[in-house]
Amino acid sequence: AQSVTQLGSHVSVSEGALVLLRCNYSSSVPPYLFWYVQYPNQGLQLLLKYTSAATLVKGINGFEAEFKKSETSFHLTKPSAHMSDAAEYFCAACPGGTSYGKLTFGQGTILTVHP
Amino acid sequence: DTGVSQDPRHKITKRGQNVTFRCDPISEHNRLYWYRQTLGQGPEFLTYFQNEAQLEKSRLLSDRFSAERPKGSFSTLEIQRTEQGDSAMYLCASSLPPLTGGNEQFFGPGTRLTVL
Repeated sequence: AQSVTQLGSHVSVSEGALVLLRCNYSSSVPPYLFWYVQYPNQGLQLLLKYTSAATLVKGINGFEAEFKKSETSFHLTKPSAHMSDAAEYFCAACPGGTSYGKLTFGQGTILTVHP
Repeated sequence: DTGVSQDPRHKITKRGQNVTFRCDPISEHNRLYWYRQTLGQGPEFLTYFQNEAQLEKSRLLSDRFSAERPKGSFSTLEIQRTEQGDSAMYLCASSLPPLTGGNEQFFGPGTRLTVL
């Protein structure tokens, strides 16, 4: 069974500091991987996705993530945090190829950005 | 295109009542998904449709839950005899089929259900 683990339910950074949100997956074959952001009382917005092409994936709002098969990781980074980045972030995985269907989500990481 | 829409956005009901939620996907998307998100947790998969066919259902979807997509467009999720444990955000998402590059799911704003 596929699973996704996000290390750290809360991350706090200062404005302008590096953002690092950790995600590890457990799967028999490399899945497709996604990072979503959720603002209060809203749905999920896709930040970026990995679908077996380039291992370094760039997304919206300056975020990027690197797929590392050897570490089964897909950590999300942003060089310089903005106040507007404060939100909850979810890592998700699904089987690749034609079997694609449901997403399995991690527990989420709440990012707080201090002035 | 206005994206995925869900109605209502909020629903408060008493235990034992039935509730129905509606999801309208992005028009050209033939796959539609339902997820449930409880406070402090990530969304959990409930079920998904390709066109009008329901292809997979989670064990989370008890007999009190039923989902339909009769014409392959909008979908409804009904919960019968609601329980307090059903209180959650119900999210709908849609996508294109995988072979046409549809490996991204677009989410609606969700319906927040509170069972008193």
